[in-house]
Amino acid sequence: DTEVTQTPKHLVMGMTNKKSLKCEQHMGHRAMYWYKQKAKKPPELMFVYSYEKLSINESVPSRFSPECPNSSLLNLHLHALQPEDSALYLCASSLQGETRGEQYFGPGTRLTVT
Amino acid sequence: EDQVTQSPEALRLQEGESSSLNCSYTVSGLRGLFWYRQDPGKGPEFLFTLYSAGEEKEKERLKATLTKKESFLHITAPKPEDSATYLCAVVFSWGKLQFGAGTQVVVTP
Repeated sequence: DTEVTQTPKHLVMGMTNKKSLKCEQHMGHRAMYWYKQKAKKPPELMFVYSYEKLSINESVPSRFSPECPNSSLLNLHLHALQPEDSALYLCASSLQGETRGEQYFGPGTRLTVT
Repeated sequence: EDQVTQSPEALRLQEGESSSLNCSYTVSGLRGLFWYRQDPGKGPEFLFTLYSAGEEKEKERLKATLTKKESFLHITAPKPEDSATYLCAVVFSWGKLQFGAGTQVVVTP
């Protein structure tokens, strides 16, 4: 089973709201990732949790905050977002840490910021 | 500078018309090259991993090959259901999976 699940599928939020995206995998993978994908662009890495250690893409603004409660769960907390943050947010996981092995992606959360 | 470049940007094929997609890369110390398929509004679906020059992988009508500077994804006798965006990606030093811009493939009956 190579399934990564994400909730919600769609989210509309105002610029003053606080919301969270959730991701879960039960494949025993030890690395999990958040990506942002704009229309007709490739996915862009935001955060990596590898063996529960966080690595950050330094270009990601602080209004995005990741959390990894355990090795199967990954959250992305959203606060004071801007309309340009509207995108497809993808979660992925891989068996091994950061530099090895293929990544399996979830279906994504379509986020619209109004 | 580490880079991943895909060509062409878009490819329109007749059903049964074989073709190849290109992914060229410049990276110091390749740790893996990956091919993904992505349908509109969905997450990328893993297809292949290639680690060393000369390696080849096949799955149904798709075959991926790797040299020291580029990878090819060959689509043999494509069907309309092969229509998708095909992404290649390379692992960089700190674990960042760097994607190319993708090739959008449309296969018409």
